[in-house]
Parts: sequence; C-alpha cells; structure tokens
Amino acid sequence: DAGVIQSPRHEVTEMGQEVTLRCKPISGHNSLFWYRQTMMRGLELLIYFNNNVPIDDSGMPEDRFSAKMPNASFSTLKIQPSEPRDSAVYFCASTYPGNAEAFFGQGTRLTVV
Amino acid sequence: AQTVTQSQPEMSVQEAETVTLSCTYDTSESDYYLFWYKQPPSRQMILVIRQEAYKQQNATENRFSVNFQKAAKSFSLKISDSQLGDAAMYFCAYRSARPSGSRLTFGEGTQLTVNP
Repeated sequence: DAGVIQSPRHEVTEMGQEVTLRCKPISGHNSLFWYRQTMMRGLELLIYFNNNVPIDDSGMPEDRFSAKMPNASFSTLKIQPSEPRDSAVYFCASTYPGNAEAFFGQGTRLTVV
Repeated sequence: AQTVTQSQPEMSVQEAETVTLSCTYDTSESDYYLFWYKQPPSRQMILVIRQEAYKQQNATENRFSVNFQKAAKSFSLKISDSQLGDAAMYFCAYRSARPSGSRLTFGEGTQLTVNP
C-alpha cells in the first residue's frame, strides 16, 4: 500500500493567491482528517470527514478555508485568498472502520509570502 | 470536549538510558483509544504505540511501553535503552471509540533529545 498521499510536498505562494492542497487516503479507509501544524499552535484539527461527509469543521479558521471530499479516494483543502499567517505544515490522515489509529501523509509545507 | 496535555515541552536522555514522557487527558467517555506518535525531523507522523481504554494491561512494543492509569487519566510513555534514532517530537493523542467516528486530539508535544 502506498500510504496516504499528499501533494504538493512544498508550496510557496504569494499573499492573495488561491492554494489547493490534495490528499489521497489509503484505499478502504472511511475517515479522513486535515490537520495544520505550527510552532505556536501545535497540531490543530481543521476538519474531518466520515464516509465523505464533513462531520466536524469547527477547526476551520475562517471562510477563507474550505475542504471537500467528492469521493472516497480524494480530498482537497483550499485557501482563498491565502495570507502569510496560513504558513504551516498541513497534514492529511485517514483511518478505516473499526480501527482507531490514523495514518498520516507526509504533509505539505505551505509558505505564503 | 476532550483535551490532552503534555506538561514537558522538552526532555533529554542519555543513550541506553530510560526516559518517561508524561501525558494526561480529560474525557467523560469510558471507551476510547490513546496513542503515542513520533515525529522525527523528516516530519512524518509515526505511530509508536496504542492503548485501548477497556484493556487493563499496559501496551508494549519492543523498547516502548506505556503506563495507563485510567482513573487518573494518565498515559505515560517509557522508552528503554534509548537510541539516537529515538530523538524526535512525541505526541500523545486521544480518540473516542464511538462507532460513528471521531476526531483525533493531540497534546502539545514533547521534544526528546538523546545524548550520545
């Protein structure tokens, strides 16, 4: 199994631009999480999906952030417009029914200048 | 809401010695899972060990073991015979066992340094 796949690994963009982060969960997994990691705030849960349905998006910072999961094998996290304070590492993770631990992708390091 | 607290931002240990990382959590649920994840400089999140709350026996994985105290809501990680490759950020995490799924909540992390 290839594991959770995130793209891109690194993204540098200018303030005001739209950024789209992508995630392919492990096949058969039915829960998907998006986390943001910063030095100041640690690991924050932004949103999680269960069976492609958003269950808890209370961690999404503001309207500039949106996430979708159109099918079981793909999810996106979009920031529009991006701001320098959005600079962070964004992780996607997935887990399968009856199992507890989440398997993480390698993360996307986003830098907004 | 569940919370996870790691009160040791940094810890250090001599190679081959033993170190214990602390974690406490708060929940009103009775059925849940607890985890320790390791994040080396590569930033990959790696599961170290997991514990089911219904199990009284403490989990063990080779040199890694936990001390799970359910009544005290404490979940510490012991690393025996520390190796240089153990140097990393360690995160304690909690997840409810609700069948409908639930969030995975992390503590603030403990940066472990292993001295040769």
